Amino acid sequence: DTGVSQDPRHKITKRGQNVTFRCDPISEHNRLYWYRQTLGQGPEFLTYFQNEAQLEKSRLLSDRFSAERPKGSFSTLEIQRTEQGDSAMYLCASSQTWKGDEQYFGPGTRLTVT
Amino acid sequence: AQKVTQAQTEISVVEKEDVTLDCVYETRDTTYYLFWYKQPPSGELVFLIRRNSFDEQNEISGRYSWNFQKSTSSFNFTITASQVVDSAVYFCALRGDSNYQLIWGAGTKLIIKP
Repeated sequence: DTGVSQDPRHKITKRGQNVTFRCDPISEHNRLYWYRQTLGQGPEFLTYFQNEAQLEKSRLLSDRFSAERPKGSFSTLEIQRTEQGDSAMYLCASSQTWKGDEQYFGPGTRLTVT
Repeated sequence: AQKVTQAQTEISVVEKEDVTLDCVYETRDTTYYLFWYKQPPSGELVFLIRRNSFDEQNEISGRYSWNFQKSTSSFNFTITASQVVDSAVYFCALRGDSNYQLIWGAGTKLIIKP
């Protein structure tokens, strides 16, 4: 049984560069979520997919952020023109169909923008 | 609006003591789901429990127990006979039936001293 995996685990980039993160959910889960977590805070919701459809986006997801889940399996989160304020842990989670189902989280990708 | 409040920022106890982590929530949804997650120093969020709004039964799992009270909008978490391995940040989260995202509290950092 494999859990949610994320790649890379750490990313250091210079301000202005683009970065892309990947998330592979638990195989039978059709729902996938992206969150952002900064030090000392709870996760903040970014976006949600059901299969390949992006059904919900937070206002935190500015124009520089884009997420895809092309075949309803893995997902990518891209940040363009990174800013120092983007430094955070980016978490991916997946769950099964019904709304109350618990979300299982990956280990996260820690982004540092210098 | 939905909100989760974890008023205790940090709790420190000596091993074997019992400790209760408080969680108070706000939601207008009549159906909602409450969760507790553990985030150890390694960083990965670990699901502990889900409680549905229509099920007010309290739950016990080993040394862990949860007290759900709709009348006070609280979902408190008790660890009995705490152990050093329980040291972590614990998050309470809420999902209303009107959306898919989890709303998180700020977390309570629990320190168990040997």
